[in-house]
Amino acid sequence: RKEVEQDPGPFNVPEGATVAFNCTYSNSASQSFFWYRQDCRKEPKLLMSVYSSGNEDGRFTAQLNRASQYISLLIRDSKLSDSATYLCVVTYNQGGKLIFGQGTELSVKP
Amino acid sequence: EAQVTQNPRYLITVTGKKLTVTCSQNMNHEYMSWYRQDPGLGLRQIYYSMNVEVTDKGDVPEGYKVSRKEKRNFPLILESPSPNQTSLYFCASSLSEWLAPFEQYFGPGTRLTVT
Repeated sequence: RKEVEQDPGPFNVPEGATVAFNCTYSNSASQSFFWYRQDCRKEPKLLMSVYSSGNEDGRFTAQLNRASQYISLLIRDSKLSDSATYLCVVTYNQGGKLIFGQGTELSVKP
Repeated sequence: EAQVTQNPRYLITVTGKKLTVTCSQNMNHEYMSWYRQDPGLGLRQIYYSMNVEVTDKGDVPEGYKVSRKEKRNFPLILESPSPNQTSLYFCASSLSEWLAPFEQYFGPGTRLTVT
């Protein structure tokens, strides 16, 4: 079983739709969680960190469920420009290892 | 401008010919890391460095070497490249918090082909 797993998609949604991605992790020692966005083989860029209390940034909401060991990303009112691959990332305290999920591809259509 | 630079951006080489991919950051970050990205496998960590003269293996270190003699530079060395090292390589840097890396800033990537 992979340490961090994501549904690779693709998710094809119309503009204005709400879409949610999940990411599960297997190591309960995981401490920090992030969502990154990657456009077509370009460098990944941080979308948002994920906190236990959940956090929101405009149309984007991230949640963490430690009991079930997953994080989620909700995108409301999808835009064409949201089309990208979304990567979840897990790190551990006091260590430099980062584990990436394989990414979930989102395609927003007019 | 705060950035991570990698050179070269594209490289085609032959099996066994030693090569170095440079990575430099101007943000005074303690943490630097190398990743490779392959279709269906996502990003996998090769090596990372928590600070100068401190390096550690990631998930796929075989066939690679790194060094961290200065804070800003973290070169990736392939002593004897093989075709299975054909990949897209990313360097990244970040601040560290409680001895763990925070937001990663990525370089633009190096597309390596080994024939």
